[in-house]
Amino acid sequence: GQQLNQSPQSMFIQEGEDVSMNCTSSSIFNTWLWYKQDPGEGPVLLIALYKAGELTSNGRLTAQFGITRKDSFLNISASIPSDVGIYFCAGQLTSSGSARQLTFGSGTQLTVLP
Amino acid sequence: DAGVTQSPTHLIKTRGQHVTLRCSPISGHKSVSWYQQVLGQGPQFIFQYYEKEERGRGNFPDRFSARQFPNYSSELNVNALLLGDSALYLCASSLFSNQPQHFGDGTRLSIL
Repeated sequence: GQQLNQSPQSMFIQEGEDVSMNCTSSSIFNTWLWYKQDPGEGPVLLIALYKAGELTSNGRLTAQFGITRKDSFLNISASIPSDVGIYFCAGQLTSSGSARQLTFGSGTQLTVLP
Repeated sequence: DAGVTQSPTHLIKTRGQHVTLRCSPISGHKSVSWYQQVLGQGPQFIFQYYEKEERGRGNFPDRFSARQFPNYSSELNVNALLLGDSALYLCASSLFSNQPQHFGDGTRLSIL
């Protein structure tokens, strides 16, 4: 099945550093979402973006919906140990008549070193 | 408030058997979606239901079927299980089908 191009695949950073990851698609989406998944758990919604160009923050997390509607990025500032996990981007078409399913990226595995 | 609940949490089956996975959405949510997540990949869409009607189907064989009940809970059925069906099966609910989806912790299905 289709998956979005998410990079990097994995990251090792020092505690306190900032981190950035991004997601690109060959198709247009009108909603972008970012999820975090910890081992043995389901994905947890972090940020939802609804408008091209939109920049949204949730605490230390900031995400942007690309102008072309084909990309999005997520920044995490001042990383802490509990940021460890797999981060997934997901695109969604919400126009009427579409199935409105989420199309996911392949994930970014984040490791925070003390 | 209870989130999305799925049962069972783990399941072991053999090839050729069938399985039924269950999902209870967040209270008030009318849309339920099912995803398959194999190790190392993002979730893949299987089905979406809204108000008991199928609204979308992913690229999965007819061995996969689902339904939604009047209380908005849902079942995913898989027949003639194959080794490749081993995965984490995730259920997600949303208020309406175009709202952000919230996931349960999944059912880990292992096929021997």
